[in-house]
Amino acid sequence: GENVEQHPSTLSVQEGDSAVIKCTYSDSASNYFPWYKQELGKRPQLIIDIRSNVGEKKDQRIAVTLNKTAKHFSLHITETQPEDSAVYFCAAGQKTSYDKVIFGPGTSLSVIP
Amino acid sequence: KAGVTQTPRYLIKTRGQQVTLSCSPISGHRSVSWYQQTPGQGLQFLFEYFSETQRNKGNFPGRFSGRQFSNSRSEMNVSTLELGDSALYLCASSLGRDTNYEQYFGPGTRLTVT
Repeated sequence: GENVEQHPSTLSVQEGDSAVIKCTYSDSASNYFPWYKQELGKRPQLIIDIRSNVGEKKDQRIAVTLNKTAKHFSLHITETQPEDSAVYFCAAGQKTSYDKVIFGPGTSLSVIP
Repeated sequence: KAGVTQTPRYLIKTRGQQVTLSCSPISGHRSVSWYQQTPGQGLQFLFEYFSETQRNKGNFPGRFSGRQFSNSRSEMNVSTLELGDSALYLCASSLGRDTNYEQYFGPGTRLTVT
């Protein structure tokens, strides 16, 4: 089955700097890669996802890149703000159903004002 | 439109007891998935229900079970609780099973087993 690793487990950046979180997956059949943000005490929320037919996707200050050959994908947050502080989870799996989407262990991002 | 709701929000139980958690999906959503969240482990998939049928189950012991009702509300049950079952239990709902439908999470039920 799928196995997802995520690095780093914790990340501190100065406000305005960029943050990068990297994930690797094991199943070459995976074709759906979502990212979730979970603020302290709140529910996870989907912030961006990418499917295997594209290599990069952007949404304002957030971008995700996918390298299917190397089986890794990354989240890039530019011009970080204190409200970006949260735990970020990557996930990988089959786009056909959520039960085949496996989550990484999470990265705790702290943006220092 | 109301979001996904879960009850109770917090629960304290003793080893050996059983517990039932409830999840009400967004109106019209037919797929409900359950996850266990523990520090450093991310979200571990428990099971998914669609149209009152369990579609898949994660790698959890038989003590973990669930069901879905005709109104799509779902419950999960854990019998013979162990200390290691202490976790945040999240449910998520979506219109359909396919990831083309966005999945929305509930606030979770924080279960503490003593």
